[in-house]
Amino acid sequence: SQQGEEDPQALSIQEGENATMNCSYKTSINNLQWYRQNSGRGLVHLILIRSNEREKHSGRLRVTLDTSKKSSSLLITASRAADTASYFCATSGGSYIPTFGRGTSLIVHP
Amino acid sequence: GAGVSQSPSNKVTEKGKDVELRCDPISGHTALYWYRQRLGQGLEFLIYFQGNSAPDKSGLPSDRFSAERTGESVSTLTIQRTQQEDSAVYLCASSLLVGAGGASTDTQYFGPGTRLTVL
Repeated sequence: SQQGEEDPQALSIQEGENATMNCSYKTSINNLQWYRQNSGRGLVHLILIRSNEREKHSGRLRVTLDTSKKSSSLLITASRAADTASYFCATSGGSYIPTFGRGTSLIVHP
Repeated sequence: GAGVSQSPSNKVTEKGKDVELRCDPISGHTALYWYRQRLGQGLEFLIYFQGNSAPDKSGLPSDRFSAERTGESVSTLTIQRTQQEDSAVYLCASSLLVGAGGASTDTQYFGPGTRLTVL
């Protein structure tokens, strides 16, 4: 099955700075989703981007998708301490079960 | 409306005991997924249901693991003869739509998970 791999594994920034996380995958996809997880419990859906889309926005979140490079990025602008969490991408396409990478652990210092 | 719920939220058991984990998906969601997440790791796919059938059980790590689902409702994940390596958070997710082979065509909504500790 295909797999999204997030990069970097860990990111530490100051409040107010922007945070960028990347996701790479191996085979063609129908869509890619970004999730946030606080304290190792349930995941919260952030954004779904389809393979024919290149960019989507939701509040302070901006997601891009480059299918030629098989990569996606999640940008959080003007970060807040409350954005501290782990962020996962999940890829889905064809007959594949959506698969998750190991995530990026983001720490935003107040 | 109500989201995905899971019970129990925490379960501590002794090695060798059987455990049952329950997931109540969002009403009307066709697809239901079970994942396992070990400490500091990503999500490991276990099994998915389309309705009450499980087309793909390939993620179940051993024959000690089994799952069933009643219609498009509750699902139970059973782990028999638990081992210490089974300790993890077990996450359930549901989605309204599912494509061929379980491909997610819609947002997955996750429950809060069950933290299983096997002593």
